[in-house]
Amino acid sequence: GEDVEQSLFLSVREGDSSVINCTYTDSSSTYLYWYKQEPGAGLQLLTYIFSNMDMKQDQRLTVLLNKKDKHLSLRIADTQTGDSAIYFCAEDTRAGFQKLVFGTGTRLLVSP
Amino acid sequence: ETGVTQSPTHLIKTRGQQVTLRCSSQSGHNTVSWYQQALGQGPQFIFQYYREEENGRGNFPPRFSGLQFPNYSSELNVNALELDDSALYLCASSSGGTPEGYTFGSGTRLTVV
Repeated sequence: GEDVEQSLFLSVREGDSSVINCTYTDSSSTYLYWYKQEPGAGLQLLTYIFSNMDMKQDQRLTVLLNKKDKHLSLRIADTQTGDSAIYFCAEDTRAGFQKLVFGTGTRLLVSP
Repeated sequence: ETGVTQSPTHLIKTRGQQVTLRCSSQSGHNTVSWYQQALGQGPQFIFQYYREEENGRGNFPPRFSGLQFPNYSSELNVNALELDDSALYLCASSSGGTPEGYTFGSGTRLTVV
């Protein structure tokens, strides 16, 4: 089945690193994504990782993928107050068409 | 190059009514997917349209229907609205199945009273 789980809430201080975790179930997913959603807004693609990779770095963002445990994480270095938002991980299930299955989201609160 | 635009941005309807939401896909994109995001939840896949045909469907009842037009824009129609249909409805356009190309609009906030 398809199920993506995330912890609900994370609070950090400005300048610290944030790590948001996610577990997924579909081992055939081609890509795994991290999206950011600010209040009242749509989804902004932050980064993604191809399923045959185990790490991807993109400026302040580092994605780690453990396929054996079906675990995905997003690390944000030097977290800023502007990073406060809800972060969703999503798996890309390709049962004949591209469809994203999202987790319930992790609310990140960055305090000064 | 324009992004994905959705209209209206907000809408209030009464239970039992019908609603139509609209989505203009990003230039060059031939596929549109619709998602429902209830408050405090992640988006749930409703269906996808590719070249004017429904290409895949999630676990939503038949009163959720859609259309895609020759210019690849799309509509989501919901009949017999229920209170639980209150949500943010997101449209995403894409082409070629590339991850960078899966672009979301800002959504339509539907409130059913």
